[in-house]
Amino acid sequence: ETGVTQSPTHLIKTRGQQVTLRCSSQSGHNTVSWYQQALGQGPQFIFQYYREEENGRGNFPPRFSGLQFPNYSSELNVNALELDDSALYLCASSLRTGVGYGYTFGSGTRLTVV
Amino acid sequence: QKEVEQNSGPLSVPEGAIASLNCTYSDRVSQSFFWYRQYSGKSPELIMSIYSNGDKEDGRFTAQLNKASQYVSLLIRDSQPSDSATYLCAVGRTGNEKLTFGTGTRLTIIP
Repeated sequence: ETGVTQSPTHLIKTRGQQVTLRCSSQSGHNTVSWYQQALGQGPQFIFQYYREEENGRGNFPPRFSGLQFPNYSSELNVNALELDDSALYLCASSLRTGVGYGYTFGSGTRLTVV
Repeated sequence: QKEVEQNSGPLSVPEGAIASLNCTYSDRVSQSFFWYRQYSGKSPELIMSIYSNGDKEDGRFTAQLNKASQYVSLLIRDSQPSDSATYLCAVGRTGNEKLTFGTGTRLTIIP
């Protein structure tokens, strides 16, 4: 059974550019959640996808968008990058929606916007 | 008032002693409580979950929950240098898709 994998591990983008981050769910998990963790802060909920539909969203602007595919893998897209978007982006998969089961996070993608 | 509050530390504890980490939350209808450990440069790792008032023990770790006081704690017995990390408290509501995290407490175990 494979865990949650994220790619790329690190990347550097210029302000105003667009970025796509990828996440492969743990085997059998149909729910994917994305979090942003700025330096020195706790993770902040961006959104969750369940069976290819958005199933909850945090306080992030529309330039943060996502997709979930039939194999339950997921993408996070961020348009018009800002310097404050520099953070560790975490993907977590779970077997079902709701927070009663805890999350297993992937290793994260470190995004630096310059 | 922050939704989930933790003392940012750093908290220094001698090796072999008990480390006590605390967390308070503001949402009274919270029902799921988690402790994550995060090593520098790594992603958070789930180490404990608790849902009912009282204590829950797993090896050297004990989570304590008091819903009336809106308080969660984590005790680490026989602290080891490998326990040095940031510990994140997370709170969730059943039926709500998000976990709300505190800013974390940085724990250092002194050999």
